Amino acid sequence: DTGVSQDPRHKITKRGQNVTFRCDPISEHNRLYWYRQTLGQGPEFLTYFQNEAQLEKSRLLSDRFSAERPKGSFSTLEIQRTEQGDSAMYLCASSLETNTGELFFGEGSRLTVL
Amino acid sequence: EDQVTQSPEALRLQEGESSSLNCSYTVSGLRGLFWYRQDPGKGPEFLFTLYSAGEEKEKERLKATLTKKESFLHITAPKPEDSATYLCALAGTGRRALTFGSGTRLQVQP
Repeated sequence: DTGVSQDPRHKITKRGQNVTFRCDPISEHNRLYWYRQTLGQGPEFLTYFQNEAQLEKSRLLSDRFSAERPKGSFSTLEIQRTEQGDSAMYLCASSLETNTGELFFGEGSRLTVL
Repeated sequence: EDQVTQSPEALRLQEGESSSLNCSYTVSGLRGLFWYRQDPGKGPEFLFTLYSAGEEKEKERLKATLTKKESFLHITAPKPEDSATYLCALAGTGRRALTFGSGTRLQVQP
């Protein structure tokens, strides 16, 4: 399978714990995005990488959230001191630099904070 | 600030009953308007890109159109397998990330 893969698919954690999600994009895609989606809403932009550089970060993103993309390959999204409001589906997407509107999404990582 | 509003929130159709989904938007400069399909528990799947007013794109039973303020996704003679949430998104000048609407949940009954 050469699509975008995300791990884990589901994560249940207690409030205050840290969680980390991993995304492996399509290998030739140099752009990688993280979005968050809650029930009944569209995806909400979190952050974006071109290769290893984090070029844009949502103003809504708390400093508890951090993302990395070492070596421009896979990416991780860490949420520190989770809160119940962090419960959502975290979606990763990748794209070619030349076709930035056609995003290829993974199946998401669903986070439940108890 | 870029904004996307989709209507209706939900739509129930009988198989074969054609209809349209609306996406209205405000943006300082449009680089592209995109339609995605999302099945439950899955990530969105790209359908169409529209770049300028008057442009149309078709794929099977779906046709997307664009004006300066709105985009429509027309569904002709839908089938139950067309049931999904349809998301509209835009890319404005100066931003690389897409801004998504809340989507229209379409249910097509046999």
